[in-house]
Amino acid sequence: GAVVSQHPSWVICKSGTSVKIECRSLDFQATTMFWYRQFPKQSLMLMATSNEGSKATYEQGVEKDKFLINHASLTLSTLTVTSAHPEDSSFYICSAREGSTDTQYFGPGTRLTVL
Amino acid sequence: GNSVTQMEGPVTLSEEAFLTINCTYTATGYPSLFWYVQYPGEGLQLLLKATKADDKGSNKGFEATYRKETTSFHLEKGSVQVSDSAVYFCALSRRNEKLTFGTGTRLTIIP
Repeated sequence: GAVVSQHPSWVICKSGTSVKIECRSLDFQATTMFWYRQFPKQSLMLMATSNEGSKATYEQGVEKDKFLINHASLTLSTLTVTSAHPEDSSFYICSAREGSTDTQYFGPGTRLTVL
Repeated sequence: GNSVTQMEGPVTLSEEAFLTINCTYTATGYPSLFWYVQYPGEGLQLLLKATKADDKGSNKGFEATYRKETTSFHLEKGSVQVSDSAVYFCALSRRNEKLTFGTGTRLTIIP
């Protein structure tokens, strides 16, 4: 099956700093990637949809200036949490859509802890 | 809009028991249907999918059949193992649209 990687798998940072998370589709090209946030024992909350070469589309209530998304190539999207605060601590998961099957494949997730 | 309703958990079964996790959906048109599984501390893995009515998706002993008449996509497995303990998500999407997830069902299998 298609493989999606995320890096880092976990990160601890101080309040006020910025953190970048990478999402890569390893064996297919993804014109669309998605970023989700998951709180403990809850379902996934879609944050934004990222299309290669264009601006991301953010879901209602998600601050686009805080969660910067870049999709510079068909295999890489990045999420930067700017000026992170403890309330941004969460599990962030990306997915990439494989076009021929219209199926989303998910990365292993990144656990962010902001002190 | 689209919605997915799945069986509330948690579900606890003994090893080798029969598993059913119910999933029903509301959508216009003909969406594709998916089951994803999430093991502790990990992302989601695609378990199986079906793209049209009466299709059966299967993988690792799990099965689900796309039933348009009942708008359902129930997940079944004949004999569960401890390693099947995870959270299972039912989801749908129409072509080029975002996924709509159910709330997830936590499954625990005891030896």
